Amino acid sequence: EVQLVQSGGDIKKPGESLKISCKGFGYNFATYWIGWVRQRPGKGLEWMGIIYGGDSDTRYGPSFEGHVTISVDKSNNTAYLQWSSLEASDTAIYYCSRRLTGNYFDFWGRGTRVTVST
Amino acid sequence: EIVLTQSPDFQSVTPNEKVSITCRASQNIGSNLHWYQQKPEQSPKLLIKFASHSVSGVPPRFSGSRSGTDFTLIIDGLEVEDAAVYYCHQTSNFPHSFGQGTKLEI
Repeated sequence: EVQLVQSGGDIKKPGESLKISCKGFGYNFATYWIGWVRQRPGKGLEWMGIIYGGDSDTRYGPSFEGHVTISVDKSNNTAYLQWSSLEASDTAIYYCSRRLTGNYFDFWGRGTRVTVST
Repeated sequence: EIVLTQSPDFQSVTPNEKVSITCRASQNIGSNLHWYQQKPEQSPKLLIKFASHSVSGVPPRFSGSRSGTDFTLIIDGLEVEDAAVYYCHQTSNFPHSFGQGTKLEI
């Protein structure tokens, strides 16, 4: 059974760092991309970026490049999304999703809720 | 960067109605356009792939079409459980992008 298991929610202060994870089960992790999607409270879906499990090829959305880092640990079938300095505007639910090359997001994690507040 | 513009942003509808949601791409994306449904407190769910192709497990009342850079999601025979936000998503070129969403209230 395919699963994308995301790490638990977190509450952080502005300026703090954070790394959240997405672990794949039940499929060949190295042949899929893992994408990250942001959803701010009451807002729509925003495409943040994507990484290929096989060779770590990474692409970012223009609004996110330089603010977040996407990485992968192929040996552990896990993708990561990290911030070095959080802002209040990073408060959101973050979803990971998998994609075959040339295809759509076919399977989604349940989301990780991140709250940034003083 | 390819921009997807959905219309309408919000629609109040009644059961059994036929509903159309449109998504216009800012440039040619071929048929690399997919539709998702998101209900409150849930992850998005794939409804239609590659503009008009059905997805296993999705009721047949959901269908999609394409005319150039205009894409349409059609729900024929709306049911109460279809109350949700619907998003289009392009995977033609990086960076990929989503439309702003259309909320259906039933």
